[in-house]
Amino acid sequence: GQNIDQPTEMTATEGAIVQINCTYQTSGFNGLFWYQQHAGEAPTFLSYNVLDGLEEKGRFSSFLSRSKGYSYLLLKELQMKDSASYLCAVSSPYGGATNKLIFGTGTLLAVQP
Amino acid sequence: GAVVSQHPSWVICKSGTSVKIECRSLDFQATTMFWYRQFPKQSLMLMATSNEGSKATYEQGVEKDKFLINHASLTLSTLTVTSAHPEDSSFYICSARDFGLAGGKDEQFFGPGTRLTVL
Repeated sequence: GQNIDQPTEMTATEGAIVQINCTYQTSGFNGLFWYQQHAGEAPTFLSYNVLDGLEEKGRFSSFLSRSKGYSYLLLKELQMKDSASYLCAVSSPYGGATNKLIFGTGTLLAVQP
Repeated sequence: GAVVSQHPSWVICKSGTSVKIECRSLDFQATTMFWYRQFPKQSLMLMATSNEGSKATYEQGVEKDKFLINHASLTLSTLTVTSAHPEDSSFYICSARDFGLAGGKDEQFFGPGTRLTVL
């Protein structure tokens, strides 16, 4: 089966650092994506990891360990506008030749003043 | 670049009627488009994979006769919810993929979504 786990909710303070974890078990792996989604809007791309290690992009970093089936998204210098859902998604060719995205349940992050 | 549009952005319809949602890739050609459904406070669930010029591939549990998908061109896919019922009320999101734009990383570009409410 395909399974991706994330914490349901997290709360952090403006200016702080927060780490959102994601663990996955999928049949096939062709990369892991992190998306940000504000309520009522479509997901927007944040990061992509296909090899082990850390990818840094401004205030956002993402880490992947394929052997552990584990990733995290690190958000630094939190701003109020970072309050949103963060979706972990694995690209997998399950059930056919086309890669599909399997989404986790999403982590609702609330940034407080 | 890599803009995907959806129309309409929201729609309200009566139970038993059909609703068509369009998904367009505006500045690139997408051989593959995906349709997702998202219920409140839940994540995106893949409904079907749409390939240009061929039949869509539906995920387990998704009724292909109820959710008709047509991918007639490289820039347009449509989802028709037939005989809609209140339980079909949801946020429907499409995405399109272009390996060339994404540098080979298999990224999907998402449309803004369509909010469907069935009365």
